[in-house]
Amino acid sequence: DGGITQSPKYLFRKEGQNVTLSCEQNLNHDAMYWYRQDPGQGLRLIYYSQIVNDFQKGDIAEGYSVSREKKESFPLTVTSAQKNPTAFYLCASSRAGIGANVLTFGAGSRLTVL
Amino acid sequence: SQKIEQNSEALNIQEGKTATLTCNYTNYSPAYLQWYRQDPGRGPVFLLLIRENEKEKRKERLKVTFDTTLKQSLFHITASQPADSATYLCALLNSGGYQKVTFGTGTKLQVIP
Repeated sequence: DGGITQSPKYLFRKEGQNVTLSCEQNLNHDAMYWYRQDPGQGLRLIYYSQIVNDFQKGDIAEGYSVSREKKESFPLTVTSAQKNPTAFYLCASSRAGIGANVLTFGAGSRLTVL
Repeated sequence: SQKIEQNSEALNIQEGKTATLTCNYTNYSPAYLQWYRQDPGRGPVFLLLIRENEKEKRKERLKVTFDTTLKQSLFHITASQPADSATYLCALLNSGGYQKVTFGTGTKLQVIP
């Protein structure tokens, strides 16, 4: 079955540590996205990528970094520069180009900073 | 500034009634608007999409309307069931060709048996 796999599902980190969240898709989608969700809030866009080796900052990119070396993979690194990293992180993908941009989401990764 | 607003208060309705959720936006010119369902601790799931030149879209018990003059979309669930209880998110892609999909804050729906 095609889909998006995020790992780990739960992650605990000490302050000052960088962590990397994995996102892999086998949908042959060109575009991939990272969103952050805080309790009672909507999704805020961190980074998105339309094609391999290219990505753009979203609305809240500070303290995060991404790479897009393969079409299937779009890992997100939460750096120590991110002031409030505890959140639910969602990865998504969609077809690129002129179209409907319907997003398929992964199950999410919940990061807690201790 | 750009905003996508959904009723932040939970909506409680009786089973069998029609639930109506609202999505208002400002300073956007959306090419289309989407609705997603999100269950607790899970990723959103796509439900319906409506384009700027469409007034209404239906899928089974779901109906979406889109009024670009009022800058508003309404999402209706007819004959609601307890299994419809979830948070519903609207999202839009601004005209301009980029892949940036922006979400509203979501409305939590509770269908009471």
